[in-house]
Amino acid sequence: KQEVTQIPAALSVPEGENLVLNCSFTDSAIYNLQWFRQDPGKGLTSLLLIQSSQREQTSGRLNASLDKSSGRSTLYIAASQPGDSATYLCAVKRDTGTASKLTFGTGTRLQVTL
Amino acid sequence: GAVVSQHPSWVICKSGTSVKIECRSLDFQATTMFWYRQFPKQSLMLMATSNEGSKATYEQGVEKDKFLINHASLTLSTLTVTSAHPEDSSFYICSANQGTANLQFFGPGTRLTVL
Repeated sequence: KQEVTQIPAALSVPEGENLVLNCSFTDSAIYNLQWFRQDPGKGLTSLLLIQSSQREQTSGRLNASLDKSSGRSTLYIAASQPGDSATYLCAVKRDTGTASKLTFGTGTRLQVTL
Repeated sequence: GAVVSQHPSWVICKSGTSVKIECRSLDFQATTMFWYRQFPKQSLMLMATSNEGSKATYEQGVEKDKFLINHASLTLSTLTVTSAHPEDSSFYICSANQGTANLQFFGPGTRLTVL
């Protein structure tokens, strides 16, 4: 059974800092890995999707890397801003089927202070 | 594109009543939708996979007779919480699989409070 863990569970940083969020998964046989953002009481917004054959993806100040063999992914946020405050979730997909499930990590609650 | 809506966004009901939550894919067809439950400060837990025109597939430990899922069309899946109890209070989120991209797009969630 796939288990996805995120470290740290919570993080508070001052504005402007670069930070790294970690995601680890126990079964390396994945199709892709996705990073999401969730604001309090809201749904999920997809940030980055990395296919199993890829090493990293970038979007603006965000960079996600994937090391499938070691079961790890990191989300790097550059020059953090208060608007980045949210919970960040990683999720892995097992295979290509449309009914293939996403297994979510435990989440990291990020607070960026002024 | 690829917008998923949920209705209602929040609902308060009395213990013992049933509550229906709708999940709609607004601009695409979805043969597969997923229902998740999220307790405060916890991650999303998959409850069931909803398949258009067939029975839903429930995750282990989820009571299918309590959480009724109907996926009667390619744009609508419903989750009915029957005989709701306070422990069913949670945030329910659906997602719809967009076929060509094989990506899940998530709804905004429904906050259920059972008194």
